[in-house]
Amino acid sequence: TQLLEQSPQFLSIQEGENLTVYCNSSSVFSSLQWYRQEPGEGPVLLVTVVTGGEVKKLKRLTFQFGDARKDSSLHITAAQPGDTGLYLCAGNTGFQKLVFGTGTRLLVSP
Amino acid sequence: NAGVMQNPRHLVRRRGQEARLRCSPMKGHSHVYWYRQLPEEGLKFMVYLQKENIIDESGMPKERFSAEFPKEGPSILRIQQVVRGDSAAYFCASSPKGQEGNGYTFGSGTRLTVV
Repeated sequence: TQLLEQSPQFLSIQEGENLTVYCNSSSVFSSLQWYRQEPGEGPVLLVTVVTGGEVKKLKRLTFQFGDARKDSSLHITAAQPGDTGLYLCAGNTGFQKLVFGTGTRLLVSP
Repeated sequence: NAGVMQNPRHLVRRRGQEARLRCSPMKGHSHVYWYRQLPEEGLKFMVYLQKENIIDESGMPKERFSAEFPKEGPSILRIQQVVRGDSAAYFCASSPKGQEGNGYTFGSGTRLTVV
């Protein structure tokens, strides 16, 4: 069974702080996606990383895919209250199905 | 999320009743995926369908659950004789021609409560 472990599970920070969320697995994935989910809604795709070592930036968010394509990280610079939500990584097994991580619940206070 | 339409948003069923969850994919998307999110857990893959075909149902419970994606109309996830443990949020996602690298578009989900 492929598992994706995310850490930390919960993170409560003040506006303006930086943070990093980690997504780790012992399995190799063909690609990895990051989603953000708000209460009562479905996950919204933030980014897809495909190549080992790839780094993608989306405004204040920086995503990195590990060289071996087993792990990933999400770094947020100068967090804002609007960044509050559940962050999910999801690995693509190559068979059209995603394995989702355990999730990181982020709360950014003003 | 607006592109993938799921209904109903909330569904309450008594134990033993049937639940039907509908999903209309984004325009032009021919691949549909169903995921289940139990309280305080991550999303778990259930089934992957193309029009009139079930491609992968490895995540579906062996009994009481079925899914279809007919030539015309929405995809349907059907749960017969629901039990309390079926209470969860069920999400549908779609993609065009299995473009896994581009990620999926998820609907807002159907929250099923079994009483």
